[in-house]
Amino acid sequence: GAGVSQSPRYKVAKRGQDVALRCDPISGHVSLFWYQQALGQGPEFLTYFQNEAQLDKSGLPSDRFFAERPEGSVSTLKIQRTQQEDSAVYLCASSLGAGRETQYFGPGTRLLVL
Amino acid sequence: GIQVEQSPPDLILQEGANSTLRCNFSDSVNNLQWFHQNPWGQLINLFYIPSGTKQNGRLSATTVATERYSLLYISSSQTTDSGVYFCAGTTSGTYKYIFGTGTRLKVLA
Repeated sequence: GAGVSQSPRYKVAKRGQDVALRCDPISGHVSLFWYQQALGQGPEFLTYFQNEAQLDKSGLPSDRFFAERPEGSVSTLKIQRTQQEDSAVYLCASSLGAGRETQYFGPGTRLLVL
Repeated sequence: GIQVEQSPPDLILQEGANSTLRCNFSDSVNNLQWFHQNPWGQLINLFYIPSGTKQNGRLSATTVATERYSLLYISSSQTTDSGVYFCAGTTSGTYKYIFGTGTRLKVLA
């Protein structure tokens, strides 16, 4: 079946613009994670959803970052008033059960803020 | 917070060689996983291995949770094994996965 998909794959934003990044998890997967990966670094946890409930948002770096998963499937990560330090690859992952098992990653969205 | 150190940081192998990658945790972790990030950036799950040993083809992994480490073995390496290998785990009661520093592997033909 289809894997995790993300869109857009690339996004260039001017500083101060708002952006929205989309994640389509594997159908039926309960858990959804967002990560931020800076160049040459490992992924860093941003937030976790179990169905539509956001159970952990401790990794969101500021109140400019907001994530939602209103119907328990597709998720959107929104960044308001983008800044240059937001430039990174944003990865989405899903897993079948309650977050403590194999994660399947999407291809990522590469965000460049100028 | 928990620290996850991986060693070696960089590794160059000739095709056909074997290698062992190590992941050390500063505190107890749960839900340990190993991932391979290929040169195009795609992260592929290799093992979900909170404890014990698993094998999948040329790859195997062992986690000794009580001693806070995990090992990934790659046998008969191929050029397609090149990329970065990450381990990741959660601390008790959380869903927040902490990723290690990574091992960058290059396999030469």
